[in-house]
Formats: sequence, structure tokens, C-alpha cells
Amino acid sequence: DTAVSQTPKYLVTQMGNDKSIKCEQNLGHDTMYWYKQDSKKFLKIMFSYNNKELIINETVPNRFSPKSPDKAHLNLHINSLELGDSAVYFCASSQDAGAKNIQYFGAGTRLSVL
Amino acid sequence: SQQGEEDPQALSIQEGENATMNCSYKTSINNLQWYRQNSGRGLVHLILIRSNEREKHSGRLRVTLDTSKKSSSLLITASRAADTASYFCASTGFQKLVFGTGTRLLVSP
Repeated sequence: DTAVSQTPKYLVTQMGNDKSIKCEQNLGHDTMYWYKQDSKKFLKIMFSYNNKELIINETVPNRFSPKSPDKAHLNLHINSLELGDSAVYFCASSQDAGAKNIQYFGAGTRLSVL
Repeated sequence: SQQGEEDPQALSIQEGENATMNCSYKTSINNLQWYRQNSGRGLVHLILIRSNEREKHSGRLRVTLDTSKKSSSLLITASRAADTASYFCASTGFQKLVFGTGTRLLVSP
């Protein structure tokens, strides 16, 4: 069983559309994250939730809205998609929000905005 | 930007050779981690070194940490073609990881 699974794996859409990416972890972890990896492979944290509560909210356009219905799921909804949103989005989880925790990553969702 | 830097950006070696990657970070840390990313995949944790440690080993991996210079290195000994991947360091501050820019390693048979 995949520990951290994301869907879809690929997402191709037009500018202006709204899309969602889903993430689920079966590790029993309390903390989940969304990262964005751009074309130069720079990986930057966007959001983090601990036990369904938002704890990290980096400087991200408010078109991006995370939602955590329970601690095993963290979804990312993106409104009014722009060309610059094209990237690979990774979900990750860790046992808790402590800095020493190892993070487990999903396989990524490659978003292409046309 | 808090993002750390790694060098070299790319490294190409033959199987059996050693590969060394360096990482510099910008802020105080609790620990530093190294991750591997195979093409088209997510990141996989390799090793964690605490801020009060100077060196750590795990199999063919050796990590050093110099907090006075805010730098770390990852050595992969006796490399294999399967080690071909991008390698990222991640410094850990309060509740989050800050990733370096990554080193792309190519190991040729």
C-alpha cells in the first residue's frame, strides 16, 4: 500500500479553470504538507496542517486553498489557474509538526496550465 | 529567500566512484536532512544529522555537518547506476523543512 498517495498524477487544464488535488496518508501521521516544485526543481513549502489545523501558510496567492477534512487527508483547491501555476505539487506527511520529523512524500501531481 | 544552495548543480561519474555533494543553508537549525528524488517521483528520506553531530554514516552514505559554516556534505561511496537521482538537503527550522536547490547525480555503468 502506498503510504502517501496523491490524485491525479497528471492534470492538464486551461487558464482560468478551477482544479483540486487530493492527498491521503495511511501512516497515522498528524501533520501533512503541500509543496510546489518548479521547473528548476526548487521545492518550496506552501501549507502545513497539524491535526486538521493550519500551522504553516507561506506567501501563497489566496487562489490556493487547502482543506483537511481529517488528519489523513489534505486537499488543495486552486481557483482561476494561471500559467505560472504549472509545476509539480507534492503532498507529504510527518509523525507530528516537530522539526526533527522525517517527511514522507507522495509521487507528485504534475499540473500543466495551458 | 531562505532556500539553501547545493553544489555542484550536476555531477556525472562512473559506477564505483565516490560522489560528494555540498549544501549550504542560511538559518540556525535543529537538524539537517538529505533526501533523494528519482526522476518523476517524490522525495525519499536518506539520513538525518542533528545539529550537535558532526558526522553520520548509513550504509554507503556519509554525512558531515559544520554548523559554524552552515554547511553539510553528502558522500556516496562506491556509486551504482541506481544512485542516479537528484539529491536535496533540507534544513529544519521551526516546524518546516527548507530545501536546497539540489544536485543532479548521474552514475554511468
